[in-house]
Amino acid sequence: DAGITQSPRYKITETGRQVTLMCHQTWSHSYMFWYRQDLGHGLRLIYYSAAADITDKGEVPDGYVVSRSKTENFPLTLESATRSQTSVYFCASRETIGADTQYFGPGTRLTVL
Amino acid sequence: AQSVTQLGSHVSVSEGALVLLRCNYSSSVPPYLFWYVQYPNQGLQLLLKYTSAATLVKGINGFEAEFKKSETSFHLTKPSAHMSDAAEYFCAVSGDTGRRALTFGSGTRLQVQP
Repeated sequence: DAGITQSPRYKITETGRQVTLMCHQTWSHSYMFWYRQDLGHGLRLIYYSAAADITDKGEVPDGYVVSRSKTENFPLTLESATRSQTSVYFCASRETIGADTQYFGPGTRLTVL
Repeated sequence: AQSVTQLGSHVSVSEGALVLLRCNYSSSVPPYLFWYVQYPNQGLQLLLKYTSAATLVKGINGFEAEFKKSETSFHLTKPSAHMSDAAEYFCAVSGDTGRRALTFGSGTRLQVQP
């Protein structure tokens, strides 16, 4: 099916473990984004990518690593998970910048114990 | 830096009543403005967007929003609430960051009472 998918949908891990959240889109959109959603904060941008092999930091990048070797994939890695990274993570994509609609995946609920 | 303020983290209305969700923005360049809706355990879905054309924007599900530059506002309204409108609503702005990313408000949870 066309669209933007995220996996896993739910993840429980322990402090200090490495975790990778996957994001895949089928539209060949140039731009992809990772946000985290926390109560009272709305969505905050972690990283974004303008194209394959081009990434840039957002508002809250510390503790996260991204890569984009293929246009359709944009994985987010927590190198050493901390409890403060317990959150819901959303991936999004957009064809271009500006007025284009940003499309969101269903989210990954991550719990760090 | 661009920012969005949503007044009221929770709004409760009766079914059939007017819905008004408030959004004020800050941007050093003419902004693009968006309203998204999030239903429980789902991602965000675009309701409507303002991109410098008409100041009154109509969206899906009977929602509309009016861009008021003098008030730096982009409030979301719906004349008659339906039970299915219960969700969380986010206002977002795209402006200062070269329009590359959206900055979101903290969200407003809409409750619709029968």
